[in-house]
Amino acid sequence: QSVLTQPPSVSAAPGQKVTISCSGSSSNIANNYVSWYQQFPGTAPKLLIYENDKRPSGIPDRFSGSKSGTSATLGITGLQTGDEADYYCGTWDSSLRAGVFGGGTKLTVL
Amino acid sequence: QVQLVESGGGVVQPGRSLRLSCAASGFTFSNYGMHWVRQAPGKGLEWVAVISYDGSNKYYVDSVKGRFTISRDNSNNTLYLQMNTLRAEDTAVYYCAKDFKQLVIRAVFDLWGQGTLVTVSS
Repeated sequence: QSVLTQPPSVSAAPGQKVTISCSGSSSNIANNYVSWYQQFPGTAPKLLIYENDKRPSGIPDRFSGSKSGTSATLGITGLQTGDEADYYCGTWDSSLRAGVFGGGTKLTVL
Repeated sequence: QVQLVESGGGVVQPGRSLRLSCAASGFTFSNYGMHWVRQAPGKGLEWVAVISYDGSNKYYVDSVKGRFTISRDNSNNTLYLQMNTLRAEDTAVYYCAKDFKQLVIRAVFDLWGQGTLVTVSS
């Protein structure tokens, strides 16, 4: 089991909005920044969101992040078929003194 | 060109050792913490280890403590992962990843290598 909890899958139609949740605890999400990654099959992950809600240059504003307490959320608006990928949340766990990830969420754009 | 290139993966028998390397270029390697992240076939991401920018701090996931050692050579811009007493459950693609913030460990990975496959099998 992963330290952070994500839904295994989400789906929505093109053009719609989807959110992916990431649940943790006081030792990780509540007291550390959350980041989000996008991964296509056979490729390395790509940073989408860092410090809870910031986007690296080149990431469209269709992608957004938020955090509240021990949970974080990734939002994707204007869904495109090219957004079909696996999405992971990640952070540092201060008690474990280790990086931690969620189990990943597979996004299907119907 | 800003990039990370891993090497050293392959097929190894259980109980044997392997050393992975990650060559960095295009950024000031000595200013950043560096991580290893792995992904077993068909599974999610698992953080493995981190080393601080100057090598003074190292942290590991519990499952590899005492078996894996992370190190770096800042003069040659190279990160290493020495893996001893390998087990079947260590089979994975191993990625090296750069921490996005200078001089501190944040476990935010803004640059990834292409990955190198380690298969532990008899």
